[in-house]
Amino acid sequence: EADIYQTPRYLVIGTGKKITLECSQTMGHDKMYWYQQDPGMELHLIHYSYGVNSTEKGDLSSESTVSRIRTEHFPLTLESARPSHTSQYLCASSEASGGLASTAGTGELFFGEGSRLTVL
Amino acid sequence: AQKITQTQPGMFVQEKEAVTLDCTYDTSDPSYGLFWYKQPSSGEMIFLIYQGSYDQQNATEGRYSLNFQKARKSANLVISASQLGDSAMYFCAMREGLYGGATNKLIFGTGTLLAVQP
Repeated sequence: EADIYQTPRYLVIGTGKKITLECSQTMGHDKMYWYQQDPGMELHLIHYSYGVNSTEKGDLSSESTVSRIRTEHFPLTLESARPSHTSQYLCASSEASGGLASTAGTGELFFGEGSRLTVL
Repeated sequence: AQKITQTQPGMFVQEKEAVTLDCTYDTSDPSYGLFWYKQPSSGEMIFLIYQGSYDQQNATEGRYSLNFQKARKSANLVISASQLGDSAMYFCAMREGLYGGATNKLIFGTGTLLAVQP
């Protein structure tokens, strides 16, 4: 069973506030990810990290920022929330890629339960 | 560019019957991995099944099997003996990147909403 935790699960906040979505995993995974998902839509990668002090922008541009000071912790911050930031944010982690054969391990992503953000 | 296409926005199936959810993909990389995830209304993403591009046999996990047709670039999910608890959104995803240097990022399709009827 995956051990990756996100807080808060639900957050309703006013425009202009600073928010931090927390994500922690206890599996020792080097790779971590943040995906953004609007209701009923696909997931879009907004940030990822290969390890401590490594962060990269994802495929979807986002005004959020991330940090990776510890292996187990990958928080996402919005300095000034806007209604356009209303969405679900999903954190994930993985081991190294499984390579070519499924017997080598799939390298699947383990997801947290998500943080549903509503900005009024 | 890599892409995942799920053409069925929604599907209905009777309890205890089998259902196939379609997924096609596009990539120029000979090495890739294909995944299916289930997302119940509670929002979490649950990993179901994986198929590597060089795997000779179709993947199976309990009631889930993946119908992998490499030449057609399709990776359909088959759920046998549907249960009410299978009602959820299902996402097909592909891992991009080369073996040994893979970023292990996944790109996702738009999903298929499955409703199992009693």
